[in-house]
Amino acid sequence: DVKVTQSSRYLVKRTGEKVFLECVQDMDHENMFWYRQDPGLGLRLIYFSYDVKMKEKGDIPEGYSVSREKKERFSLILESASTNQTSMYLCASSSRQGKNSGTGELFFGEGSRLTVL
Amino acid sequence: AQSVTQLDSHVSVSEGTPVLLRCNYSSSYSPSLFWYVQHPNKGLQLLLKYTSAATLVKGINGFEAEFKKSETSFHLTKPSAHMSDAAEYFCVVSDLRGYQKVTFGTGTKLQVIP
Repeated sequence: DVKVTQSSRYLVKRTGEKVFLECVQDMDHENMFWYRQDPGLGLRLIYFSYDVKMKEKGDIPEGYSVSREKKERFSLILESASTNQTSMYLCASSSRQGKNSGTGELFFGEGSRLTVL
Repeated sequence: AQSVTQLDSHVSVSEGTPVLLRCNYSSSYSPSLFWYVQHPNKGLQLLLKYTSAATLVKGINGFEAEFKKSETSFHLTKPSAHMSDAAEYFCVVSDLRGYQKVTFGTGTKLQVIP
């Protein structure tokens, strides 16, 4: 069974702390994504990566950075957490178009709910 | 540029009655279209996808959607709602050219009344 695993389901951090959110996929996917989900706003793309060590800014990258040292792992980093980063964070992966009949389907993890106090 | 509009933020139906969740999209290219479902405190699960094959797409749990290019719509339907269908539904457009660009709608919460 294909799987995207997010290391922490629930986190509580204090303002100014550094936060790491880890995501691992076992499907050999090239593309990986980090979204945040807020009520009424849907999912907004923070960063994505289309290959190891490659990253691209999404729609709301401010206050975040990412790391992709290995194909299966994509980390989201909050250098100095703030209260407005309290949210649900969703990681997803997908196969590159044309490879393995990739259709653009995203596979999601269960989400990490972060509260910043 | 591409965009997705889910016309209803909340839909309420009685158990056993039909479900209609509306989605309109805009894309300068022939996109792939998806519907995902999210149950509380869970990740998103794929319901169905349109990728330029048949315009009527059948998905899991009895859901289906019809791609209408002339109306730029991809509405989700189900003949008879079940209590377990209560969840949030997201319409998604994906441009697979180059690096995959994915745009989500803002979601529709489906309430099923017993």
